[in-house]
Amino acid sequence: NAGVTQTPKFRVLKTGQSMTLLCAQDMNHEYMYWYRQDPGMGLRLIHYSVGEGTTAKGEVPDGYNVSRLKKQNFLLGLESAAPSQTSVYFCASSEQYYGYTFGSGTRLTVV
Amino acid sequence: SQQGEEDPQALSIQEGENATMNCSYKTSINNLQWYRQNSGRGLVHLILIRSNEREKHSGRLRVTLDTSKKSSSLLITASRAADTASYFCATERPSGSARQLTFGSGTQLTVLP
Repeated sequence: NAGVTQTPKFRVLKTGQSMTLLCAQDMNHEYMYWYRQDPGMGLRLIHYSVGEGTTAKGEVPDGYNVSRLKKQNFLLGLESAAPSQTSVYFCASSEQYYGYTFGSGTRLTVV
Repeated sequence: SQQGEEDPQALSIQEGENATMNCSYKTSINNLQWYRQNSGRGLVHLILIRSNEREKHSGRLRVTLDTSKKSSSLLITASRAADTASYFCATERPSGSARQLTFGSGTQLTVLP
C-alpha cells in the first residue's frame, strides 16, 4: 500500500527551465492537492482537484499549472521556473470527511 | 493567508512530561485537524475533530475544540523522544463540494531524553 507517491524527490533547476512534478495515489481518492512549504510559513495551497478532469486555484497559483487526466495522478507544472519557487512541494489526497494523506515531498531549488 | 495559528512556536520538554499546543483560527469551520511532520518528511494526519465535537481522544493524544473562542488544543501525554516533530493545525472551512485545508505555521516540539 504505497499511499501517495511523489516524483522526483529532489531537483535543481535553472531560472527559466520547466519541469513537471508527478503525484500518484492508489487509494481511489477523489480529492488531490498541491501545497508548497516554505520556512516559517506552514503549507500554502497551490492548486487542487475535486475529481478526474477538474482543477482549481488555491492560495498561491501564479507560475504553476496542473492537470488531472487520470483519477490517480495529479501533475504540477512549472513553465518558467523562478528562484521564488524554491520550496518543498507536497502532494496530498483525501476523501470526504477524512484527513489528508501526504506524499513525502519534492525539494526543488531554482538557481 | 494563515487561518490557523499555533502557539507556542517552539516547545521543549522532558520525556514523560505532557505537551500542550494551542491553535487559534479566524472563521467558521467544518472541522479542525492536527498533523505531525518529522524533519524532512511529509505530514502525517493525527486526528480530526468536527465543529460539533468538543473533545476527542486517540491513544496519547487529546484534542479539544472551542468554536465560541475559535481555538483548539492538542495534548500529548507521557511524551517520548519519538514525539519530537513539528505539529500543525489545519482548518477546513465550509466550501460546498471543494475540501480545502488551511494550515498554521506549526509548533516545533522537542522532547529531551
